[in-house]
Amino acid sequence: QKEVEQDPGPLSVPEGAIVSLNCTYSNSAFQYFMWYRQYSRKGPELLMYTYSSGNKEDGRFTAQVDKSSKYISLFIRDSQPSDSATYLCAMSAGSNYQLIWGAGTKLIIKP
Amino acid sequence: NAGVTQTPKFQVLKTGQSMTLQCAQDMNHEYMSWYRQDPGMGLRLIHYSVGAGITDQGEVPNGYNVSRSTTEDFPLRLLSAAPSQTSVYFCASSYQGPQSGYTFGSGTRLTVV
Repeated sequence: QKEVEQDPGPLSVPEGAIVSLNCTYSNSAFQYFMWYRQYSRKGPELLMYTYSSGNKEDGRFTAQVDKSSKYISLFIRDSQPSDSATYLCAMSAGSNYQLIWGAGTKLIIKP
Repeated sequence: NAGVTQTPKFQVLKTGQSMTLQCAQDMNHEYMSWYRQDPGMGLRLIHYSVGAGITDQGEVPNGYNVSRSTTEDFPLRLLSAAPSQTSVYFCASSYQGPQSGYTFGSGTRLTVV
C-alpha cells in the first residue's frame, strides 16, 4: 500500500460545478500538506499549503485537512475550463523529511 | 525573476550515452532537488541538496550523479543512459525545505532509445 493514495481520474465536471479532490494517507506523522497544480507539459506549481489540521481558503480554492481520518481535500468553487489540470497532493512530516507525493488526479472542466 | 530554469527542454539519447541536465535558480534558495515523473507513478526524488557542497540521495538515485558547487546551480548527470531513464525530469528549489513548498522548473523531456 502506498503512503499516499490519490485517485488518478480523470474527473470530468461541467463549468461552474464544485470540484472535490482528495488524498488519503497512512503516516500519522505528516504535518505539512500541500496541493500542486500541473498543467500539461509544465512543472507543478504550489497551489495551497496547510500546516496541521483545519481549513485554508484562497479565492475559489479551499484546502481541508482531517488528521483523525488521514484525509485531505481540495475544493474548487465555480470551476473554470482554466482549472483543467492535474492536481498533486504532497505531504511531509517536517523539515528533516522529504515530501511524499500522490500520483495526481487529472481534472477536466467542460465548457 | 526567472525562477527555476532547466535546459534542455527536450533530449533524445542513445543507450550508453551520457549527458548533463542543467538547472539554475535565481531566488537564493538553499534547497534544491531533482525529480523524475513517470505516468501513474507521480514524482520520485532522485537527488537533493541542502546547500552548496552538500548533496544526498533520494528514492531513485541509481544511474545519476549530482554536484552543487554554487547556490544557483544544481546539474544532474546521467552516467550511461538506459531506456528505463526515459522520463520527464524536474528541478525544484525551496527557501526553507520541501515542507515549505517547492518552485519547479518547466522540465526536461528525455527519451533514451
